[in-house]
Amino acid sequence: TQLLEQSPQFLSIQEGENLTVYCNSSSVFSSLQWYRQEPGEGPVLLVTVVTGGEVKKLKRLTFQFGDARKDSSLHITAAQPGDTGLYLCAGDRGWYGQNFVFGPGTRLSVLP
Amino acid sequence: SAVISQKPSRDICQRGTSLTIQCQVDSQVTMMFWYRQQPGQSLTLIATANQGSEATYESGFVIDKFPISRPNLTFSTLTVSNMSPEDSSIYLCSVGASGRYEQYFGPGTRLTVT
Repeated sequence: TQLLEQSPQFLSIQEGENLTVYCNSSSVFSSLQWYRQEPGEGPVLLVTVVTGGEVKKLKRLTFQFGDARKDSSLHITAAQPGDTGLYLCAGDRGWYGQNFVFGPGTRLSVLP
Repeated sequence: SAVISQKPSRDICQRGTSLTIQCQVDSQVTMMFWYRQQPGQSLTLIATANQGSEATYESGFVIDKFPISRPNLTFSTLTVSNMSPEDSSIYLCSVGASGRYEQYFGPGTRLTVT
């Protein structure tokens, strides 16, 4: 049973388009993180959200944590080929990064 | 953020042998984690390794198969014992700090078992 679900699983879009990736669970998390992973490398942390309803922006990326701290979304504006990668959400079942569970990932391909 | 290195970066091993993977951090960290990422899949936590205590293993992973050492605050090893082709995966270490949410990953070790 997957504790965290992500949708869509795969996404292929043209450069300049907008997209949203979703991360959903029936469990409450103390925090939730988004990572991007490129082939042959480890995941790179993009953002941590902690408070229900919290919105964080990182250049063209907007992250939102659900009010109940069970779900999150990642919105990318004007996608670029450099955004290509595997996007992973991870929820902390403990406190302060003690017990993470990862979603299955969304594989994004941005075509020039 | 911490800088994390892993050795080896990749290896091809024969069935029945063991491989020890090293994880080195450039600063002292409280918590270190070991993950497995099977081809095309997400990350699965194997165990948490805190200095001065026994590693805590997740369901489905046992110490006899994946012994872990954590001799100090900057170093850890994971051994994959008596390997089978099903152990072919990327093994990743990550670090966190007590009281902090962030987790940082090493580049991974790509293991192929033939």
